[in-house]
Amino acid sequence: AQSVAQPEDQVNVAEGNPLTVKCTYSVSGNPYLFWYVQYPNRGLQFLLKYITGDNLVKGSYGFEAEFNKSQTSFHLKKPSALVSDSALYFCAVRDIVAPGGYQKVTFGTGTKLQVIP
Amino acid sequence: GAVVSQHPSRVICKSGTSVKIECRSLDFQATTMFWYRQFPKKSLMLMATSNEGSKATYEQGVEKDKFLINHASLTLSTLTVTSAHPEDSSFYICSATRRSSYNEQFFGPGTRLTVL
Repeated sequence: AQSVAQPEDQVNVAEGNPLTVKCTYSVSGNPYLFWYVQYPNRGLQFLLKYITGDNLVKGSYGFEAEFNKSQTSFHLKKPSALVSDSALYFCAVRDIVAPGGYQKVTFGTGTKLQVIP
Repeated sequence: GAVVSQHPSRVICKSGTSVKIECRSLDFQATTMFWYRQFPKKSLMLMATSNEGSKATYEQGVEKDKFLINHASLTLSTLTVTSAHPEDSSFYICSATRRSSYNEQFFGPGTRLTVL
């Protein structure tokens, strides 16, 4: 079974500084990886995904993520943090569930990003 | 495109009553819909997965008779919390996928359920 780990409950970063939100994964086969962001009392919004190809994936709002197969990591990054980036971030991995063939996504526990003005 | 709506956004009900939450894909046909429950301090728990026209597949530990899921069409799934209790109070989020998007999930805005 697949799994995703987000080792940090919270990340604090000063506005304008680079940010990194960590994610490691465990899957059988090729990983399909996602990052989502959640603002308070809202659903999740898609940021970016890695399916195949370049290890550096660019997504919405200036975010990017680096896929590292040897370290089984998919860390989310942004060169310069904004106060408005403060939110909850979820890493996720896709897997295929054989019965019926539907495909299930497993989410990490989330990391709260706090950007300090 | 790929907008998912949920209704209602907030609901308050008395203990013992049943509450229905709707999840709609507005501009695409959803091959699969998912229902999640989010507990305080963020943890997102998958409750069940449903494909149109077939029975939902529930995750381990989720009571099928308590959380009734119906996926009547390719654009609508409903979650009914039956005989609600205060411990059912939570934030319920649905999501939907379509064939062309490598299982990128499109999330609804969530429904805040409070059971008194």
